[in-house]
Amino acid sequence: DGGITQSPKYLFRKEGQNVTLSCEQNLNHDAMYWYRQDPGQGLRLIYYSQIVNDFQKGDIAEGYSVSREKKESFPLTVTSAQKNPTAFYLCASSSRITAGNTIYFGEGSWLTVV
Amino acid sequence: AQSVTQLGSHVSVSEGALVLLRCNYSSSVPPYLFWYVQYPNQGLQLLLKYTTGATLVKGINGFEAEFKKSETSFHLTKPSAHMSDAAEYFCAVIIQGAQKLVFGQGTRLTINP
Repeated sequence: DGGITQSPKYLFRKEGQNVTLSCEQNLNHDAMYWYRQDPGQGLRLIYYSQIVNDFQKGDIAEGYSVSREKKESFPLTVTSAQKNPTAFYLCASSSRITAGNTIYFGEGSWLTVV
Repeated sequence: AQSVTQLGSHVSVSEGALVLLRCNYSSSVPPYLFWYVQYPNQGLQLLLKYTTGATLVKGINGFEAEFKKSETSFHLTKPSAHMSDAAEYFCAVIIQGAQKLVFGQGTRLTINP
């Protein structure tokens, strides 16, 4: 089936540790995105990538890092510098967004700091 | 800066009643407009979108929305609510030429039996 796969679904992190969330898509989309969701705050853009080996900061990039070495993969690392990382993280992808193409979402990953 | 405002963080209607979820955007040029639905612990699913053409857009599950340029609005409606419509709904916009989707705060819809 075509779609976006995020893993793991649930992840627990100790303070001071880096963790990486995986996102893979088989939709042949050029663009990929990471959003963070907190209750009552909607979705906020962390990073996005329009093409392999290129990515841009979104609205809340501090404490996060990404890479885009392959078209189908866009992993997100939550570093120890992120002060409040507990949240629901959503990966998404689309073909050329400037044409108004639909952005498709994965099922999300819950990250909890313990 | 472009922004999206959803009026009402929580809307409650009776089963069979009209559903109206409000969305206004700020942009000097017509944007691309989207409504997504999210069920608990899941990702977002596209309900409908407006890019060009007819301003009344029909989506899945009986929902529709009308783009009103003069009011900078894109309200979501459904004539008769069903219990399965209980979810969180997000309005989102892409300003033409921009490279990102901007979301409203979301509206949680509750359906009363």
